Amino acid sequence: EAGVTQSPTHLIKTRGQQATLRCSPISGHTSVYWYQQALGLGLQFLLWYDEGEERNRGNFPPRFSGRQFPNYSSELNVNALELEDSALYLCASSLYKNTGELFFGEGSRLTVL
Amino acid sequence: KQEVTQIPAALSVPEGENLVLNCSFTDSAIYNLQWFRQDPGKGLTSLLLIQSSQREQTSGRLNASLDKSSGRSTLYIAASQPGDSATYLCAVRRYGMGGSEKLVFGKGTKLTVNP
Repeated sequence: EAGVTQSPTHLIKTRGQQATLRCSPISGHTSVYWYQQALGLGLQFLLWYDEGEERNRGNFPPRFSGRQFPNYSSELNVNALELEDSALYLCASSLYKNTGELFFGEGSRLTVL
Repeated sequence: KQEVTQIPAALSVPEGENLVLNCSFTDSAIYNLQWFRQDPGKGLTSLLLIQSSQREQTSGRLNASLDKSSGRSTLYIAASQPGDSATYLCAVRRYGMGGSEKLVFGKGTKLTVNP
């Protein structure tokens, strides 16, 4: 069974550009979570999608947005990129909303120059 | 506000040693606690999930315990191997509006097992 898959693996952008990151959850999982892991800051919760709807978001500005598609895959969009957006972006999926185990993908490394 | 602390931040041990990693949390109203390992530049690999009603979980050489009343969890690694070298993170999922998005991570313990 395939795990959580993320693309692209690496992405290099310049300030002001937009980045789009993609995530495919484990088959049957309806919840998708996005986290940012910047150097030295630990994992910060970005967004949670379930059944196609945004359920909650973390303390990030509106230029971080995303969506979940009918097949439960998801994309994360970051507009007006800033240098401090450089980080590893991790996607996770879960079968059960509150008690389920989280499974993470390998992440997308975004570098903003 | 839930805070998760992992001590020590880094640990270096010789191969074969048994070791304990610690995780403490401030709010005992949790759904579960999950231990992960992360290799440099990679994603997180789930190791063990302990539901709030459980006291411990075991998988191979790993054993995780949970004491909700004291806000503590430990990850015990038996007979450590160089391949165990990684950063170990604990994450607590607490009750709250929307439920499962309240997954709070510690900053991890970086483990080095020397041959």
